[in-house]
Amino acid sequence: DIVMTQSPDSLAVSLGERATISCKSSRSVLYRPNNKNYLAWYQQISGQPPKLLIYGASTRESGVPDRFSGSGSGTDFTLTISSLQAEDVAVYYCHQYYTSPRTFGQGTRVEIK
Amino acid sequence: EVQLVESGGVVVQPGGSLRLSCAASGFNFDDYAMEWVRQAPAKGLEWVSLINYDGGSTYYTDSVKGRFTISRDNKRNSLYLQMNSLRPEDTALYYCAKDNSVGAIDYWGQGTLVTVSS
Repeated sequence: DIVMTQSPDSLAVSLGERATISCKSSRSVLYRPNNKNYLAWYQQISGQPPKLLIYGASTRESGVPDRFSGSGSGTDFTLTISSLQAEDVAVYYCHQYYTSPRTFGQGTRVEIK
Repeated sequence: EVQLVESGGVVVQPGGSLRLSCAASGFNFDDYAMEWVRQAPAKGLEWVSLINYDGGSTYYTDSVKGRFTISRDNKRNSLYLQMNSLRPEDTALYYCAKDNSVGAIDYWGQGTLVTVSS
């Protein structure tokens, strides 16, 4: 199974500041024939189902604010919130859909400092 | 508007069985793979199972293999999860989820709560 490891487990950021979350996979999730990374990021606000933010490592889902961006390839990925807003307080998960069993990272809790 | 509505979650004794259902609307159900993902109380997300668009291929996480069966009825726009030999560690909120065209989950239901307890 591909193990997804996020860091940190939690972080506190001041409003308007940058938040950065790392996700590392135990094996590459890059499919070389099409050069696509099968990596997504989800936001889960307390009491709600997860919401898709990013897929393909860097493609923003329709309607997601452009302060959210994803980068990386192979085994190392990053989710960046460029200017943290109050409504961004949530747990964020990375997820590989490269192979089954599909797996999630353990989650990173983002709070306001 | 895509809607996924789960049902069937209850309190069940260890060793018992349960069938979860998910009613889908707002998209061409038979064009997309569907998944089940669960979340134990105050824990992270755990992928459970996936079924391809026509039901011809299914996949499971190791801890449920041989106990859970995913299926779909494309005429009824419905997804199912038959859960047998339930264990306390199966206690969780079970989400029905839809894949997009490249395999990422793009929509989630609100979830249905399964509690396995004597």
